[in-house]
Amino acid sequence: KNQVEQSPQSLIILEGKNCTLQCNYTVSPFSNLRWYKQDTGRGPVSLTIMTFSENTKSNGRYTATLDADTKQSSLHITASQLSDSASYICVVSALKGTGANNLFFGTGTRLTVIP
Amino acid sequence: NAGVMQNPRHLVRRRGQEARLRCSPMKGHSHVYWYRQLPEEGLKFMVYLQKENIIDESGMPKERFSAEFPKEGPSILRIQQVVRGDSAAYFCASSPQGQGAQPQHFGDGTRLSIL
Repeated sequence: KNQVEQSPQSLIILEGKNCTLQCNYTVSPFSNLRWYKQDTGRGPVSLTIMTFSENTKSNGRYTATLDADTKQSSLHITASQLSDSASYICVVSALKGTGANNLFFGTGTRLTVIP
Repeated sequence: NAGVMQNPRHLVRRRGQEARLRCSPMKGHSHVYWYRQLPEEGLKFMVYLQKENIIDESGMPKERFSAEFPKEGPSILRIQQVVRGDSAAYFCASSPQGQGAQPQHFGDGTRLSIL
């Protein structure tokens, strides 16, 4: 069964600290993996997209890693800011399927950055 | 989320009424996807449309729900005879191509509340 699991469910960190969010998936055959940031009351915004051959991709203070062998990905946030408070969603795309029903969404990690 | 426009942002309906949610995709995008998000849950795929065609509606309930994307105008998600369980955030996304590998840009959603 194609699944995407994220951990932790929620996380509270102090401003300026680093954190790492995890995503494990069983989606097959794998096409790509994306991390989204979803602010409260807003739609998800793409942070990174990684294909099978990519191990690391950075977007400012966000760095995503992918281990296609173990089917794990992580999102590392450096020097957190209050504006990083949001839900972070891992989305894995399967090679087969039409349009959007080959996308599998995690339930997200709710990050709260406190001053 | 500039580009994908959803309206209204908030919609309140009484049980038994109809709800109409609109989505205008990003300029140049001809593919639209609708998702539903319940509190504390991940996004669930509902339907994928191209102009004047429903490509995949496997995630949409068979009764009371319908979607269209006419040649002119926005995509419409219509829920007839709403029930309390329909209360959720409904997100629309668009892409220039129909493959899940392409980045999907999300709107900020419509929050539907059923009294």
